[in-house]
Amino acid sequence: ILNVEQSPQPLHVQEGDSTNFTCSFPSSNFYALHWYRWETAKSPEALFVMTLNGDEKKKGRISATLNTKEGYSYLYIKGSQPEDSATYLCAFHPSSGGYQKVTFGTGTKLQVIP
Amino acid sequence: DTGVSQDPRHKITKRGQNVTFRCDPISEHNRLYWYRQTLGQGPEFLTYFQNEAQLEKSRLLSDRFSAERPKGSFSTLEIQRTEQGDSAMYLCASSTRTSGEAGTDTQYFGPGTRLTVL
Repeated sequence: ILNVEQSPQPLHVQEGDSTNFTCSFPSSNFYALHWYRWETAKSPEALFVMTLNGDEKKKGRISATLNTKEGYSYLYIKGSQPEDSATYLCAFHPSSGGYQKVTFGTGTKLQVIP
Repeated sequence: DTGVSQDPRHKITKRGQNVTFRCDPISEHNRLYWYRQTLGQGPEFLTYFQNEAQLEKSRLLSDRFSAERPKGSFSTLEIQRTEQGDSAMYLCASSTRTSGEAGTDTQYFGPGTRLTVL
C-alpha cells in the first residue's frame, strides 16, 4: 500500500485569501501525479497531470508545482472565491506495478467563506 | 461532447441482491476506468479497459465483482450477492490514449453511482 497524504484537512478561508495544499507521496518509483477538483454533487474534474520534477502548471488562479525528489506537490489558489469551494484530490501513479497501483489521497476539503 | 454519464445515480438494495451499474464514456475515448470511494477515503482503483479489453483488475476486488465493456463502448459493473461493505460511491472515468501508459492520461469522470446496501 502506497502512502499518499494530503494536508491540511479541512481548510476554511475567507474570500480573497490565497490557499496552499500539499500532497506527499513516495519519492522513489514516481511516474505521474494528478490533481482533481471535486465539487459536491458533481463529477471530479481534472486540473493537472504532472510528470517531471520541477513541473509548474497553471490554470487561471490555480497553479501546481512538483518535487519528485522529496515526494511532494503543492496546489496553490490565488485570491480564493466561493466557487473554489470543493475537495481537492491528488492521485499518485508509480512507475511499476501497473495502473492498478494508482493511489489517491483522501483530499483536502476547502470552504471559501464570502 | 456530453461528458461521462453513469446510471443509476443512486441505488438502494438489500444484502444478497445483485446490482449492475452502467457507464457511458465520452464517445471517442478508448480507455475506461472504474473506481470505488467509501466515506472519508480517496477513490480506490477497481479495473480499467482499453477498448473492449480488460487490462487490469485490482487484486483487492473479490470475485463477486465483474466488469465488461462489450464493443469498447459503454461498460457495466456488476456486483453479485451484495454485502453492506459494498456501500460506496462507484465512479467511472474515461480517457483517450495519449501515450503507452494510462497514468499520464487526463481522465474525465462521471457523477458516480451511490450504492447503499441495507
